Amino acid sequence: QQPVQSPQAVILREGEDAVINCSSSKALYSVHWYRQKHGEAPVFLMILLKGGEQKGHDKISASFNEKKQQSSLYLTASQLSYSGTYFCGTEQAGTYKYIFGTGTRLKVLA
Amino acid sequence: GAVVSQHPSRVICKSGTSVKIECRSLDFQATTMFWYRQFPKKSLMLMATSNEGSKATYEQGVEKDKFLINHASLTLSTLTVTSAHPEDSSFYICSARVSGTGGGGYTFGSGTRLTVV
Repeated sequence: QQPVQSPQAVILREGEDAVINCSSSKALYSVHWYRQKHGEAPVFLMILLKGGEQKGHDKISASFNEKKQQSSLYLTASQLSYSGTYFCGTEQAGTYKYIFGTGTRLKVLA
Repeated sequence: GAVVSQHPSRVICKSGTSVKIECRSLDFQATTMFWYRQFPKKSLMLMATSNEGSKATYEQGVEKDKFLINHASLTLSTLTVTSAHPEDSSFYICSARVSGTGGGGYTFGSGTRLTVV
């Protein structure tokens, strides 16, 4: 039931790109993406509401493939501040539950 | 923007005692709040969904008699960890859905780090 994220962890050099995937076994109403720094609450990045929707701001964007029940987060030209753990948050269709993905630890090195 | 205030941020308690964690929505009404628990280097696991004026819905494996949730008003939900044990030590976070603000999303409390000694 918990969406699976891949990769589990990734290390980048500043300026490199990364893609984080979130795959659910259940139909999704929406997908949200968050970044969490150690010891802090997750910070909301963006929400994707419709199948095929793509959103982005600055160098972070995301897509939502409703049919495949998948979402991907794209980080381009990564910065040191991008380091943290990324979670997808999902509203599962037919329920009122909000479930987080397994998480992806991302570390950007100078 | 919508803010959820969570208190306390840190608490250390003795084994066998109870601890109450509060989450207040400051500038909106939270009909539904979610409570999560996060162990080190793990994801946030949904414990229960709290609805104002009704009983909380607990996830499988979460003891409802141990983790008491009360959502008595549209701005306050509480989680009480009863008879706490060291294995209850964790990071607890509440969340509320916020509609119509900046595209929607969920706003989180700042979290409570519980240490049971």
